[in-house]
Amino acid sequence: DTGVSQDPRHKITKRGQNVTFRCDPISEHNRLYWYRQTLGQGPEFLTYFQNEAQLEKSRLLSDRFSAERPKGSFSTLEIQRTEQGDSAMYLCASSPPPGSETQYFGPGTRLLVL
Amino acid sequence: GQNIDQPTEMTATEGAIVQINCTYQTSGFNGLFWYQQHAGEAPTFLSYNVLDGLEEKGRFSSFLSRSKGYSYLLLKELQMKDSASYLCAVRDGEGGSYIPTFGRGTSLIVHP
Repeated sequence: DTGVSQDPRHKITKRGQNVTFRCDPISEHNRLYWYRQTLGQGPEFLTYFQNEAQLEKSRLLSDRFSAERPKGSFSTLEIQRTEQGDSAMYLCASSPPPGSETQYFGPGTRLLVL
Repeated sequence: GQNIDQPTEMTATEGAIVQINCTYQTSGFNGLFWYQQHAGEAPTFLSYNVLDGLEEKGRFSSFLSRSKGYSYLLLKELQMKDSASYLCAVRDGEGGSYIPTFGRGTSLIVHP
């Protein structure tokens, strides 16, 4: 247990539905990342927050995806109008202010779109 | 962006030594990471290299050559629990980005 928590751990939804995932980083970590991982692949970057500011967003990220970190603590990732291709593990990671390069990953949310 | 290449799968014997290679191409290298990921679990941090040379941490060591765009992860005295995927990730600092890009991972199978 790295101290990063994600909820839910598993989500099954029907195509076209909206889903929202939550990530609670380690409390003193101001940097937060969302990744997506499919079987046999490494984690693929989605978006990055420093405190409450969303500083980077992957160009591959569809406009159906949105993320927030309103108070600089927990973050949410929403997928609207889900598609079968969205089925993946969604990983959240956090890291402290620059100077420590380690990313601590949460257990992930496994999404299955039927 | 980065092109990261690592072998898809490797096998080794318990007690042996294995070296997992990673080659990459970046325009503004700013650090290389190795992570371990067991099946169905999240990645866990193993090592970080930003300068050339060898970093040793217990049974695991990581080497970096920036001029060659090359790194390796060395695992000694292999144990069955070392069976996992090993992810190489490279950070390209051009443009001020701090986001590591991950390779596809090397699946290591340790057998008795």
